[in-house]
Formats: sequence, structure tokens, C-alpha cells
Amino acid sequence: GESVGLHLPTLSVQEGDNSIINCAYSNSASDYFIWYKQESGKGPQFIIDIRSNMDKRQGQRVTVLLNKTVKHLSLQIAATQPGDSAVYFCAETSLDSNYQLIWGAGTKLIIKP
Amino acid sequence: KAGVTQTPRYLIKTRGQQVTLSCSPISGHRSVSWYQQTPGQGLQFLFEYFSETQRNKGNFPGRFSGRQFSNSRSEMNVSTLELGDSALYLCASKNGRQSYGYTFGSGTRLTVV
Repeated sequence: GESVGLHLPTLSVQEGDNSIINCAYSNSASDYFIWYKQESGKGPQFIIDIRSNMDKRQGQRVTVLLNKTVKHLSLQIAATQPGDSAVYFCAETSLDSNYQLIWGAGTKLIIKP
Repeated sequence: KAGVTQTPRYLIKTRGQQVTLSCSPISGHRSVSWYQQTPGQGLQFLFEYFSETQRNKGNFPGRFSGRQFSNSRSEMNVSTLELGDSALYLCASKNGRQSYGYTFGSGTRLTVV
């Protein structure tokens, strides 16, 4: 069936550097793509989303890029901080699915001091 | 305002027993979804309730069931527990049907021994 997947299970980044987390998706009919952050012992927390008719969206220290040609989604975190340590999930959803979320496998971001 | 509250936070059950988990959504949210999170399978959708009606259902056996009350609080039940049911069970609520703005609780960690 349709699925969303991540390229890298673990990403280790130096504090202060930029982080890039990647995600591949296969459902070209998805309307929205969302990034979640899950810290240890907590549920996923919304970071940023992007609609399928956009290719870039910026938030506070985060940018999401969408490349529909190759069905690729990425999350860029600027000036990575220790508090960014978490597992990051991408998810996709559509009106046709009643906005049910289809999740990627997750990438663990480790910040090196 | 209070977030999504899940109780209990931790639970240990024996194979063959049944368990009931509870979720109180954000005040005003009428949709509640349940997810199972395991290291091997990631986040898997169980079911969604809206105004006391099950709207979507994932691919889980009939041992997994749920319900929603008139105050939007939801419970999920797992009967005849198996070792493979050990997981973090997450509840998420959102305001309207045409929305993907989910807020997650911290989950219930179920261990089956």
C-alpha cells in the first residue's frame, strides 16, 4: 500500500550546525505533509506542515522542502541545539482519507556537543 | 488549556488478560484517534472516533476495540493480550473533521509479560 519512509534512521550533528532530515513518500494524492518531533517519554509534537501545492515553507529555525517530482520531503533545522535531540517523523495525509495520518519510520537526531 | 491526557502512563499485564486505556482530549476537540507505536513497526493507526462514531479503522485484529463517550473522552480495549501487543499507545485529538491538526498525549506504555 501507500507508505511514507525515511532514508536515515539516525543522524548525528554538531551543535550549532544545520540538520537535514529526509523523507520519501509514495502517495502522489496526499494533500499535506507534516513533520513531528517526538522527545523521549512524550507523544509526537507538530513542528511544521506544507501543502502539496507549495515547495517550501519556513518556520522558526525550521524549513520544510517538498519536491513532488521525486516525491521527497525534507526538514531543515538551522543552528541545531541540544533541545532538538529527538526522533523526527514525517507524515502525509489527504482529504480523501479523512485526514488520517500515514507515518514514516522516524529519524533519530543526535546532537554532539 | 490542558492537553491530551492519557491514563495510565504505564501498565504491565499478563498474556491473555484484557486492558482498557483512557484518553481525555483537549476541551472542545471532538475527534480522537489511537495509534500503536513499536520500535519495529513505527506508528500504526488503530481507529478514529468522531462524535461517538468510529470514522476510520486501521488494520488491527478485532481484539482491539474502542469507544467514545458523549464528552469526547475515549477508551480503547485490548482483549486476550499477546506479547506482541507491548507498545506505546498514543491518543491524539483534533477539533474538526476537516482537519489534520492533531495534538498527541504522552501515551500509555503497555508491557505484556
